[in-house]
Amino acid sequence: NAGVTQTPKFRILKIGQSMTLQCTQDMNHNYMYWYRQDPGMGLKLIYYSVGAGITDKGEVPNGYNVSRSTTEDFPLRLELAAPSQTSVYFCATGRNTEAFFGQGTRLTVV
Amino acid sequence: AQKITQTQPGMFVQEKEAVTLDCTYDTSDQSYGLFWYKQPSSGEMIFLIYQGSYDEQNATEGRYSLNFQKARKSANLVISASQLGDSAMYFCAMSNYGGSQGNLIFGKGTKLSVKP
Repeated sequence: NAGVTQTPKFRILKIGQSMTLQCTQDMNHNYMYWYRQDPGMGLKLIYYSVGAGITDKGEVPNGYNVSRSTTEDFPLRLELAAPSQTSVYFCATGRNTEAFFGQGTRLTVV
Repeated sequence: AQKITQTQPGMFVQEKEAVTLDCTYDTSDQSYGLFWYKQPSSGEMIFLIYQGSYDEQNATEGRYSLNFQKARKSANLVISASQLGDSAMYFCAMSNYGGSQGNLIFGKGTKLSVKP
C-alpha cells in the first residue's frame, strides 16, 4: 500500500506557464483534498472531492482547477502560474477521524 | 467561521520532560473533530491524535495525549517524556461534519525544539 502518491516532488515554473500536480491514492477513500502550505503557515484547503465526478472549492481556490474522474486520482491544475502560487502542495485522503497526506510538491514560480 | 489558534510560535523543552502545546478553536458546530499533526523538517505531515467533540474521555496515543476542555474550546497536546526526534512543527486542526465533511482547518503551528 503506497497510500497517497504525489508527483512531482519539486518543480520550478515560469510566470504564465501551466502544469498539473498529480495525486493518486490506493486506499479506496471517497474523500480527497488539495492543500497548500505557505512558509511559516498552516495548510489551507484549495479544493476537495467527496467522490468521483464531484468537486468543490475550499478556502483558496483562485488560480486552480481540479477534476475527479476516478476514485484513485485527483489532479490539481495551475493554468497561469503566478509568484503567489509558490508554495508546498499537499494532497490528502481520509475520513472524518484522520487524513492521510502525500509527501508534498514544492513549487516555485519565477 | 471556524478558526484554530496556536499562540506559541516556538517552544523549548528538555529531553525526557513533558511539554504542552496550546490550541484553542472556535466553531458554532456541535459536531467536530480535533487533530494534531507533526511536521518534521523533511516536510511530511504525520497524524498524531484525534478527539471527537462528543468523546467524553481525552484521547491518548502512546506518549501523546490530548487535553480536551470543551467549555474553554481548547485542545492542548501533551507530549510526555520528550525525545530529540520530537523536534518538529506541530499543527492543530479541526474538521466539521457539516456540509464539508472531513475538511481540515489548520492553525499556524508551533515549532518544538527538544534540548539534550
